[in-house]
Amino acid sequence: GQQLNQSPQSMFIQEGEDVSMNCTSSSIFNTWLWYKQDPGEGPVLLIALYKAGELTSNGRLTAQFGITRKDSFLNISASIPSDVGIYFCAGQPSGGSNYKLTFGKGTLLTVNP
Amino acid sequence: ETGVTQSPTHLIKTRGQQVTLRCSSQSGHNTVSWYQQALGQGPQFIFQYYREEENGRGNFPPRFSGLQFPNYSSELNVNALELDDSALYLCASSSGGVQETQYFGPGTRLLVL
Repeated sequence: GQQLNQSPQSMFIQEGEDVSMNCTSSSIFNTWLWYKQDPGEGPVLLIALYKAGELTSNGRLTAQFGITRKDSFLNISASIPSDVGIYFCAGQPSGGSNYKLTFGKGTLLTVNP
Repeated sequence: ETGVTQSPTHLIKTRGQQVTLRCSSQSGHNTVSWYQQALGQGPQFIFQYYREEENGRGNFPPRFSGLQFPNYSSELNVNALELDDSALYLCASSSGGVQETQYFGPGTRLLVL
């Protein structure tokens, strides 16, 4: 099935560093979402973006909806050990198939204390 | 916690068997979506149920079927299990409107031997 291009695949950083990850698509999306998944859990929504160009923050997290509607990025500032996990981007199309989320393959983040 | 529950948490089956997975949606949500997440991949959309009717389907064969009940809980049934069906099965509930956020349950880990 279709998946978004998410990069990087994995990151290993020191506590306190900033992190950036991004997602691109060949299709236009109406909504971009960023989720975090911990081992043995389902994805938890971090940030939702509904408008091209929108920049939204949630604590130390900042995400942007690309102007072309085909990309998004997520930044995490001043990382802490509990940021460890897999981060997924997801796009939701407009029109008749607006129910369906298409996910990236995820970015595995490891934070060294 | 999202209020979405799934059962069982883990399941082991053999090839050719049938399996039923269950999901209880968050209070007030009338829409349930099912996703398959293979190891190292992002979730892939299977189908969605809205008010007891299938509301859209991803690229999965007919041996993947579902039901939604009047209380909006849902079942995913998989017949004639194959080894590649081994995955984490996630359900997500939402209130069904455009741009409504999908909240995920913890998933059911299925292993097919």
